Amino acid sequence: KAGVTQTPRYLIKTRGQQVTLSCSPISGHRSVSWYQQTPGQGLQFLFEYFSETQRNKGNFPGRFSGRQFSNSRSEMNVSTLELGDSALYLCASSLGQSHQPQHFGDGTRLSIL
Amino acid sequence: AQTVTQSQPEMSVQEAETVTLSCTYDTSESDYYLFWYKQPPSRQMILVIRQEAYKQQNATENRFSVNFQKAAKSFSLKISDSQLGDAAMYFCASTTSGTYKYIFGTGTRLKVLA
Repeated sequence: KAGVTQTPRYLIKTRGQQVTLSCSPISGHRSVSWYQQTPGQGLQFLFEYFSETQRNKGNFPGRFSGRQFSNSRSEMNVSTLELGDSALYLCASSLGQSHQPQHFGDGTRLSIL
Repeated sequence: AQTVTQSQPEMSVQEAETVTLSCTYDTSESDYYLFWYKQPPSRQMILVIRQEAYKQQNATENRFSVNFQKAAKSFSLKISDSQLGDAAMYFCASTTSGTYKYIFGTGTRLKVLA
């Protein structure tokens, strides 16, 4: 069974640009969560989608948005990039119930110049 | 608000010894779940162990076990017979049933000394 796939693995952008990250969950998983990971801050929850509906979101500005498609694949978009957005962005999928474990991808390393 | 605190940024353990990683959390809810995840260097985050808040019995997975103290809101991870492959960042996390929002601690880097 293929794991969670995130593309691209690495991305370099400049301030003011926008970026779209993609996540393909494990087959059969309908929940996708996104996290921002930075040194010292751990993982910060961005949002969670289930069957194309956002069920919860974290405390991030509106520049961070996401969506989920009917095949459960998800995209995350960040507009008007800032230097502070440099981070590892992790995607995790699960079957969708709170007690069920999340399965993480390798992440997308975003660097802002 | 839900919070998770890991007060040990880094820990070291001798191979074959036992180490305990600390985690405290805060929530006003009664139905929640707690997790420990492991992130090896440059590798994927994987689940180590999970605990349902309504269960009094501490969860155990082979060499990994937790000490769940509900009243103290403490959820520590004990690793027995430490192996070199246990070296990683360990994250404590929690979620409240039905919220689908997962809160992670800042992590503890575990070094295993040969």
